[in-house]
Amino acid sequence: DVKVTQSSRYLVKRTGEKVFLECVQDMDHENMFWYRQDPGLGLRLIYFSYDVKMKEKGDIPEGYSVSREKKERFSLILESASTNQTSMYLCASSLGGPGSYQPQHFGDGTRLSIL
Amino acid sequence: AQKVTQAQTEISVVEKEDVTLDCVYETRDTTYYLFWYKQPPSGELVFLIRRNSFDEQNEISGRYSWNFQKSTSSFNFTITASQVVDSAVYFCALRGNTGKLIFGQGTTLQVKP
Repeated sequence: DVKVTQSSRYLVKRTGEKVFLECVQDMDHENMFWYRQDPGLGLRLIYFSYDVKMKEKGDIPEGYSVSREKKERFSLILESASTNQTSMYLCASSLGGPGSYQPQHFGDGTRLSIL
Repeated sequence: AQKVTQAQTEISVVEKEDVTLDCVYETRDTTYYLFWYKQPPSGELVFLIRRNSFDEQNEISGRYSWNFQKSTSSFNFTITASQVVDSAVYFCALRGNTGKLIFGQGTTLQVKP
């Protein structure tokens, strides 16, 4: 089974802090994704990556950056956390590169609160 | 533009009832894929099914079945003889040529004993 592991289930940070959310997958997947989930809005794509050191902006990249130094690890960075970034963050991975239609496999999510 | 609409925000049924979750999508792509995911209270989204735009055959997997109709741009999901363990948020999603997975808003299903 594919395993996508997010480093924290719950996280509380303060406004202005730099926040790191870590995601690791164990199936050698090329593609990795970061979403945020808010009530009534479904999942919205923040950033994604098709390969090491590659990144693409999703639909709501403002206020976020990412890092993919190794194939199995994809980090989401909140440069200066704000209260409107309080949300559930979900990491996903899938096989195959940019043209792939393979299903994405998700981690358990990180519920982040910014005070 | 691509869009997925799940008009039912919340559904509540009693155990053993059948329930259908609706999904309507919009896309101009001729090749696309549709997905259903389940999100139980634990939080992890679990992949249920993938369907491509050229395959309109309905699919059944145990108590789950899916009805794909291109003519109405719908990909509905039916649970037969629902159980309490089916309680979750269900998401329909579309993957077209943009490379992105577009999710609906989700339908919360509550199955009462």
